[in-house]
Amino acid sequence: GDSVTQTEGQVTVSESKSLIINCTYSATSIGYPNLFWYVRYPGEGLQLLLKVITAGQKGSSRGFEATYNKEATSFHLQKASVQESDSAVYYCALSAYNQGKLIFGQGTKLSIKP
Amino acid sequence: NSKVIQTPRYLVKGQGQKAKMRCIPEKGHPVVFWYQQNKNNEFKFLINFQNQEVLQQIDMTEKRFSAECPSNSPCSLEIQSSEAGDSALYLCASSLSLGGLEQYFGPGTRLTVL
Repeated sequence: GDSVTQTEGQVTVSESKSLIINCTYSATSIGYPNLFWYVRYPGEGLQLLLKVITAGQKGSSRGFEATYNKEATSFHLQKASVQESDSAVYYCALSAYNQGKLIFGQGTKLSIKP
Repeated sequence: NSKVIQTPRYLVKGQGQKAKMRCIPEKGHPVVFWYQQNKNNEFKFLINFQNQEVLQQIDMTEKRFSAECPSNSPCSLEIQSSEAGDSALYLCASSLSLGGLEQYFGPGTRLTVL
């Protein structure tokens, strides 16, 4: 079936350092999935961080970026310089272009060291 | 910020009891999704609607779970006979359409089945 894998359950990064959160997907029943990063800040609801619906394209928001790599079936989230306010749980997700239901990864909790 | 409203925020039930939760989607959003997020942070899609019509649902929801989205009333998700394994965060999301657009999530209803 279709699935999303985030290998790190928790990541700790020092403030102003770079970040990468890994995401790979399997979309056996979906030819070209839509890919998303959602984020849940402490005490808040889940919200969209960025999305990419075309293979090879890059999405960006709030200093984060992710590239849809169809060959590697990856959609890693990167940021050049993290801030304390980036502390949150990040979820990678996919959907079929005509279905809408999201398939989520297990989430990665990002903690920032001052 | 999302304007999806979910009530109640917390729900505690005994095994075998009914559990009902409600969702008011963002104004103008005809598509509504329900997801279950368990204690391991795993998401499971349950059901979605377009206006009042069910589009997709998983097998689980055809037995003890029921859901509806009547016109001019909140959407609801009801578990007829709660089991301990139903303890989870139930998330409602709404969207302008099925295909590849952002889903706006509510804060969730946290169900605890004792």
